[in-house]
Amino acid sequence: AQTVTQSQPEMSVQEAETVTLSCTYDTSESDYYLFWYKQPPSRQMILVIRQEAYKQQNATENRFSVNFQKAAKSFSLKISDSQLGDAAMYFCAYRKLEPLGGADGLTFGKGTHLIIQP
Amino acid sequence: EADIYQTPRYLVIGTGKKITLECSQTMGHDKMYWYQQDPGMELHLIHYSYGVNSTEKGDLSSESTVSRIRTEHFPLTLESARPSHTSQYLCASSEFFEGARTEAFFGQGTRLTVV
Repeated sequence: AQTVTQSQPEMSVQEAETVTLSCTYDTSESDYYLFWYKQPPSRQMILVIRQEAYKQQNATENRFSVNFQKAAKSFSLKISDSQLGDAAMYFCAYRKLEPLGGADGLTFGKGTHLIIQP
Repeated sequence: EADIYQTPRYLVIGTGKKITLECSQTMGHDKMYWYQQDPGMELHLIHYSYGVNSTEKGDLSSESTVSRIRTEHFPLTLESARPSHTSQYLCASSEFFEGARTEAFFGQGTRLTVV
């Protein structure tokens, strides 16, 4: 079974600074997807960024980028120029590729609570 | 904004009552999921569906049941609520084709409290 580990229950960063959230995972699959989701308080979980395991290039979405190390099974999220609106729970998630009819729900880490200090 | 809706947002109910949590999506997605989020915020898959008349149990055992009579609708039912069912329940959907490679879209969640 796949597992996803986020070792930082809480992180704090000054507004406008850069912060990196850690995520490691365990899988025997060679092809899969990795995601970072953001869950603001009492609001919907939304996708921040995703990475296909077969792509060596790290994904980037504006101020958000990942450092994907496939051999090390590591998938960290870097947030540059942190803003107050970035405050939320951040979840790292894994999704395997299944043939038609297979189970492909997301496996989540326990989350990292990101605090932005003004 | 994702077009997936959950009702009610909050529900406080007495032990032994039957409840149904509603989830609807207007994106035409075939795949739908229910996750249970515990107070520590960890999420666990409890049910999923690949389409009409398809339902499967997820990784976490749950006393709830689901149905999928229409593509857009995936309700979750608890026949007899207990305090141990107190949790947040998140519904999600995604597209479905061979080698599906898309993210899941989430509803706002239902926070259930059983007293």
